[in-house]
Amino acid sequence: NAGVMQNPRHLVRRRGQEARLRCSPMKGHSHVYWYRQLPEEGLKFMVYLQKENIIDESGMPKERFSAEFPKEGPSILRIQQVVRGDSAAYFCASSPNSGSSNEQFFGPGTRLTVL
Amino acid sequence: RKEVEQDPGPFNVPEGATVAFNCTYSNSASQSFFWYRQDCRKEPKLLMSVYSSGNEDGRFTAQLNRASQYISLLIRDSKLSDSATYLCVVAFSGGYQKVTFGTGTKLQVIP
Repeated sequence: NAGVMQNPRHLVRRRGQEARLRCSPMKGHSHVYWYRQLPEEGLKFMVYLQKENIIDESGMPKERFSAEFPKEGPSILRIQQVVRGDSAAYFCASSPNSGSSNEQFFGPGTRLTVL
Repeated sequence: RKEVEQDPGPFNVPEGATVAFNCTYSNSASQSFFWYRQDCRKEPKLLMSVYSSGNEDGRFTAQLNRASQYISLLIRDSKLSDSATYLCVVAFSGGYQKVTFGTGTKLQVIP
């Protein structure tokens, strides 16, 4: 059973370009969470999605950031017109359901560097 | 006040030492508690859940104090391989699981 998969593992973009980060949850998991971790800082919750639904996007910046989890395919975190401050590690996690006792399984992360 | 607070450290301890971390949380309705471990430039991984009665897993002991709203992690007989950042995680179910991570406590075990 493959774990949570994220690609690309490393992504370099110039200011103003778009970044697309992909996350495939563990098999059987229908809940996906995205987190951002700035260098030397903790994990910051961004968004929680179920298939075709955004449940909580309270941690997402209001502009330039969007997320989706389509019926088929991976979850996508999209950052438009990237700026240097978007440089960070973006982790995706999945869980089988939304119960509070459930462990979240993390992917290896995508390290975004904006030049 | 932050939802979850941890001392960032670093805690530098010699091999074989016992070290303890605390973590405080602000939401008294929090229901589930975890300790995750994150190695440098890696993803967080679950170390252990924290149960109301306290629980132990080998050299690791976790405790919960609901009255004072804190959880603790005790590591006995520290190994070099224990060097990592330890993340306190608090979950609250308000319709769905809302999880908040602490910023982590860095542990460095020294030979």
